[in-house]
Amino acid sequence: GNSVTQMEGPVTLSEEAFLTINCTYTATGYPSLFWYVQYPGEGLQLLLKATKADDKGSNKGFEATYRKETTSFHLEKGSVQVSDSAVYFCALIDGNKLVFGAGTILRVKS
Amino acid sequence: ETGVTQTPRHLVMGMTNKKSLKCEQHLGHNAMYWYKQSAKKPLELMFVYSLEERVENNSVPSRFSPECPNSSHLFLHLHTLQPEDSALYLCASSQEVVRYEQYFGPGTRLTVT
Repeated sequence: GNSVTQMEGPVTLSEEAFLTINCTYTATGYPSLFWYVQYPGEGLQLLLKATKADDKGSNKGFEATYRKETTSFHLEKGSVQVSDSAVYFCALIDGNKLVFGAGTILRVKS
Repeated sequence: ETGVTQTPRHLVMGMTNKKSLKCEQHLGHNAMYWYKQSAKKPLELMFVYSLEERVENNSVPSRFSPECPNSSHLFLHLHTLQPEDSALYLCASSQEVVRYEQYFGPGTRLTVT
């Protein structure tokens, strides 16, 4: 079946640093890809999505591009803030369910 | 965002108790889901409902019993749980089951003593 692999965390950055969280996928065809974010004590929130190859999803300064040649959907942000500290999940649609990566903890220090 | 609500937010129960988790979505969606999130483990899909019919059951023990009386409400009935069932239980909904992004509730933090 389809699967998602994320870089292990935690990732610790200083405020205003550049962020990359790697995500690669294994899939039959070209499923829609998502990034979800989970802030402390809360459920998951959809951060951005891309539904086909070369699509770029973006939201709140975060971006990710659907790259079929490298089967990747890396999350980037040019300047992180302390409020971005959370767990980030990469996911894809597989039939009637979402398949999630293990999650990457991001800690941003002021 | 209050699109998907869950109650209670926290629950402590003994192994012999019976309790229920409730989820309600205010988004007009047709599909609802239960997930289990344990520390240091990937998110686990438990159940999927589409238009009140169960379409996925991922080998979940029978001590977890879902109920979907209508497309807006989803319950998870719990009985004779084990300590390893302690986790965050997340409910989600989507417009349809296939290809649509899911919207999550805040979760119920369950502790089994």
